[in-house]
Amino acid sequence: AQTVTQSQPEMSVQEAETVTLSCTYDTSESDYYLFWYKQPPSRQMILVIRQEAYKQQNATENRFSVNFQKAAKSFSLKISDSQLGDAAMYFCAYRSPGGGADGLTFGKGTHLIIQP
Amino acid sequence: DAGVIQSPRHEVTEMGQEVTLRCKPISGHNSLFWYRQTMMRGLELLIYFNNNVPIDDSGMPEDRFSAKMPNASFSTLKIQPSEPRDSAVYFCASSPDRRETQYFGPGTRLLVL
Repeated sequence: AQTVTQSQPEMSVQEAETVTLSCTYDTSESDYYLFWYKQPPSRQMILVIRQEAYKQQNATENRFSVNFQKAAKSFSLKISDSQLGDAAMYFCAYRSPGGGADGLTFGKGTHLIIQP
Repeated sequence: DAGVIQSPRHEVTEMGQEVTLRCKPISGHNSLFWYRQTMMRGLELLIYFNNNVPIDDSGMPEDRFSAKMPNASFSTLKIQPSEPRDSAVYFCASSPDRRETQYFGPGTRLLVL
């Protein structure tokens, strides 16, 4: 079974600074999907960014970008120009390419604090 | 477009009572997923449907839990009888098909006393 590990239970960053959240995963598959979801205090799970394993180019969405290292099974999220609204729990998630295993496997999450 | 709709948003019940959680997926989405979030276990998949058919229910904790999807626009997750350890936030998510990005509802916070 796949596992996802987020080694940083909590991170703190000054507003306008850059922060990187770490995620590693374990899989024997060569094709899969990786995601970062944000969960603010409202509990809503919001998709931040998605990466297909077969794509070498790192995904980017405005201030959010990933560093995908397939050989190292690492998938970190970089948030540039941090804003107060970025404060939330961030979850890294893995999904198999299909074949009946389409649910997401989540890490335990990283609590991101933005210092004004 | 409306996102995934879940009801109720909050539910407080007593041990032994039946609890029914409801979900309306995004129109046109063919896959529907139920997740549970607790402090101890984090987010875990309970069951998912593709084209209204249950594909994987290996995450359903025990026979007290059941889920149905009678049509493309409605799903229920039922707990009977409920127990205090069932207290959690239950999320429903849907995706255009089983391989696409999943979009989550706001969740139902369940407290079993």
